[in-house]
Amino acid sequence: EAGVVQSPRYKIIEKKQPVAFWCNPISGHNTLYWYRQNLGQGPELLIRYENEEAVDDSQLPKDRFSAERLKGVDSTLKIQPAELGDSAVYLCASQAGGTGRKDTQYFGPGTRLTVL
Amino acid sequence: QKEVEQNSGPLSVPEGAIASLNCTYSDRGSQSFFWYRQYSGKSPELIMSIYSNGDKEDGRFTAQLNKASQYVSLLIRDSQPSDSATYLCAVNLGSGGYNKLIFGAGTRLAVHP
Repeated sequence: EAGVVQSPRYKIIEKKQPVAFWCNPISGHNTLYWYRQNLGQGPELLIRYENEEAVDDSQLPKDRFSAERLKGVDSTLKIQPAELGDSAVYLCASQAGGTGRKDTQYFGPGTRLTVL
Repeated sequence: QKEVEQNSGPLSVPEGAIASLNCTYSDRGSQSFFWYRQYSGKSPELIMSIYSNGDKEDGRFTAQLNKASQYVSLLIRDSQPSDSATYLCAVNLGSGGYNKLIFGAGTRLAVHP
């Protein structure tokens, strides 16, 4: 079974430029998460999708961040314009979803963003 | 107070010893708990989940949960240099199939030969 796929793996941009990250979850996983991980910290949730619906975006900085999950499969996270403080690793995770113990989140390799 | 707290380490243990990693959390309503391992430059990888008070063993790993005291621990027996990584404790604040993981900052473990 293929894991969570993310691209690009690395991105270096100038501040004020836009940037986008792409995620393809594990096949059949209805729940998709975007996290940001700063150096020396644990991942912090940005947004959670159930199929194509964003059900928890309370921690997404909506002035500059946006996300979409068209057709309930792939997802894109965008930052426009990027700031120096956005330098971090952006992780996508997927989960089978549903009740019971289907609560394991599987992480993709992440995109390391550097804003200069 | 942080929602999930871990000692940042580094925790240094000799090869073959038992490594003990601890985590405390603030939300008494939390029902599920996870330990993730993260090698440098890699993404987190689930190694243990625990839902009930007591111990849960999987190979060299044992997770321990005490909801009354609000702590979770991970024991690694017969530690190997390949266990050197950062271990992230995650607590699920959601319920009923809703999943909201709050991660600690992680404990860095170094196993030396």
